[in-house]
Amino acid sequence: SAVISQKPSRDICQRGTSLTIQCQVDSQVTMMFWYRQQPGQSLTLIATANQGSEATYESGFVIDKFPISRPNLTFSTLTVSNMSPEDSSIYLCSAEDRANTEAFFGQGTRLTVV
Amino acid sequence: AQTVTQSQPEMSVQEAETVTLSCTYDTSENNYYLFWYKQPPSRQMILVIRQEAYKQQNATENRFSVNFQKAAKSFSLKISDSQLGDTAMYFCAFTDSWGKFQFGAGTQVVVTP
Repeated sequence: SAVISQKPSRDICQRGTSLTIQCQVDSQVTMMFWYRQQPGQSLTLIATANQGSEATYESGFVIDKFPISRPNLTFSTLTVSNMSPEDSSIYLCSAEDRANTEAFFGQGTRLTVV
Repeated sequence: AQTVTQSQPEMSVQEAETVTLSCTYDTSENNYYLFWYKQPPSRQMILVIRQEAYKQQNATENRFSVNFQKAAKSFSLKISDSQLGDTAMYFCAFTDSWGKFQFGAGTQVVVTP
């Protein structure tokens, strides 16, 4: 199994600013994903973080708002840009072990925009 | 597109009793995987159980078992001998060969003493 460290665990940010969330996996993984989870709701996929190429975004999410980096097979970042109160949510990093087809998750970042 | 439906927003069960959570899904794929994940208040997503679609035998993990009905596209989770630590949000999830996970809306399970 993979262990994922995600930070920060929570933050309160001013509107108009940006926050970068980091995700570190303790082993090399092929696929990494970023999700958003509104309180009490399900996980919505933002994008697939591709190593060495641009991330693949889901409908409704764009690179200018959520730029993603994936410099190697163990690390990825998600930036939430030009934040507004509507961006207040939990953001989760996930890595997939293709050998066992299992997804592992970071502990999430609770973001509050004021 | 694949969809995962959980129709029970909340389920309450007494300690030591059994509770069953329902999940249905829709896909045109033949090779896929189904999961139940648990998310306690700590927010950490924890894998409860996994089922490969090509396996007819229902998966079991200690007190957790599934009833996988492939033709009906149904994947229910049974929690036996419920414990207070089972209180959490439970998500049914689906993935195919492309690797992306699709999650249901979740069912909040509350175990009462």
